Amino acid sequence: GQQLNQSPQSMFIQEGEDVSMNCTSSSIFNTWLWYKQDPGEGPVLLIALYKAGELTSNGRLTAQFGITRKDSFLNISASIPSDVGIYFCAGQSAAGGTSYGKLTFGQGTILTVHP
Amino acid sequence: DAMVIQNPRYQVTQFGKPVTLSCSQTLNHNVMYWYQQKSSQAPKLLFHYYDKDFNNEADTPDNFQSRRPNTSFCFLDIRSPGLGDAAMYLCATSRDWGDNEQFFGPGTRLTVL
Repeated sequence: GQQLNQSPQSMFIQEGEDVSMNCTSSSIFNTWLWYKQDPGEGPVLLIALYKAGELTSNGRLTAQFGITRKDSFLNISASIPSDVGIYFCAGQSAAGGTSYGKLTFGQGTILTVHP
Repeated sequence: DAMVIQNPRYQVTQFGKPVTLSCSQTLNHNVMYWYQQKSSQAPKLLFHYYDKDFNNEADTPDNFQSRRPNTSFCFLDIRSPGLGDAAMYLCATSRDWGDNEQFFGPGTRLTVL
């Protein structure tokens, strides 16, 4: 089946630092999504990417859909304590495949921000 | 605000005692999903409904069933919970099948004693 490799697994940073995480796949995806999950809560959609090469920002967050359609990265600038949580990438396959319509998730990046 | 609501947020059950988790949505989305998420892992899709059509993942145990009586509500029934079924259960919706964005509820944390 499809797999997403997300790295790093965890990050410990100081408040104010920038953060970068990425996901790679051996399969092509039609859409890349980035979610944040706070402890005890459901994932919240941060950014959705629909086109290869697309670069999208949402406040201090910036994400890009890789040209090969097999990777994506998420950057967080000037981190703050409330950025703490688990960040998941997710990809959705193009129509026609057996995984069409389903999300393939990365393993998550646990972010800790020290004040 | 339109949203995905899950009740209860925390559920404790005994080994083998049936339990039902509920999800409702005000988004009027056609597709509803149930995921199981264990600690520090990614959500794992159990099944989904496209309108009234039920679609089970191949590796979802028979112990897990689902009902969708109408567009707004979807239920997850665990017929005989085992200790290994303790997890966070997430409901999600999307406007249509193949629609790129899935919106998640806050989850129900299930404890099995």
